Amino acid sequence: GAGVSQSPSNKVTEKGKDVELRCDPISGHTALYWYRQSLGQGLEFLIYFQGNSAPDKSGLPSDRFSAERTGGSVSTLTIQRTQQEDSAVYLCASSLAVGQHNEQFFGPGTRLTVL
Amino acid sequence: GESVGLHLPTLSVQEGDNSIINCAYSNSASDYFIWYKQESGKGPQFIIDIRSNMDKRQGQRVTVLLNKTVKHLSLQIAATQPGDSAVYFCAESLNDYKLSFGAGTTVTVRA
Repeated sequence: GAGVSQSPSNKVTEKGKDVELRCDPISGHTALYWYRQSLGQGLEFLIYFQGNSAPDKSGLPSDRFSAERTGGSVSTLTIQRTQQEDSAVYLCASSLAVGQHNEQFFGPGTRLTVL
Repeated sequence: GESVGLHLPTLSVQEGDNSIINCAYSNSASDYFIWYKQESGKGPQFIIDIRSNMDKRQGQRVTVLLNKTVKHLSLQIAATQPGDSAVYFCAESLNDYKLSFGAGTTVTVRA
């Protein structure tokens, strides 16, 4: 079956512009996660959704970052007034449910470059 | 703060040899650990996991060892193949949903 998909695969934007990154989780997965991976680094947890609600937003770097999920499926990560330090690969993952025994399946990521 | 990290950023291994990738963690409360493989341009892919009540777990060509006394985790890959070339991350589960990743080890397999 289809895995996690993300769009766009690459995004180049100018400093100060807003961007929206999209994640389509695996069908039937109720949990969805966003991570950020800076060049040569590990993944940094941003936010997760259980259904449409986001119980923990503490990983979001600043109030310029927001995310939503509608219909328990597609999620959008929005970065407002982008800065050069926002340049990174943004990865989305989904799992059947929240819990350590539920493997997180990752998408290919969106590479964001802020000029 | 506490974090998960890897001992070496790069590892070069001859095809057919065994590979050992190491990871040190500092959060003694962590009870679940995972190894991921990330190929260029792709998202991380689950390899194997282990709970803190175990010290060894085997998969297909891979073995994960956990030493809670020294807070050390390792991934052993048997008979390394060119397709094993990738970045390997260890991650600890801090709760039911948050994974904390180390910086990764880049494994290069020499033909």
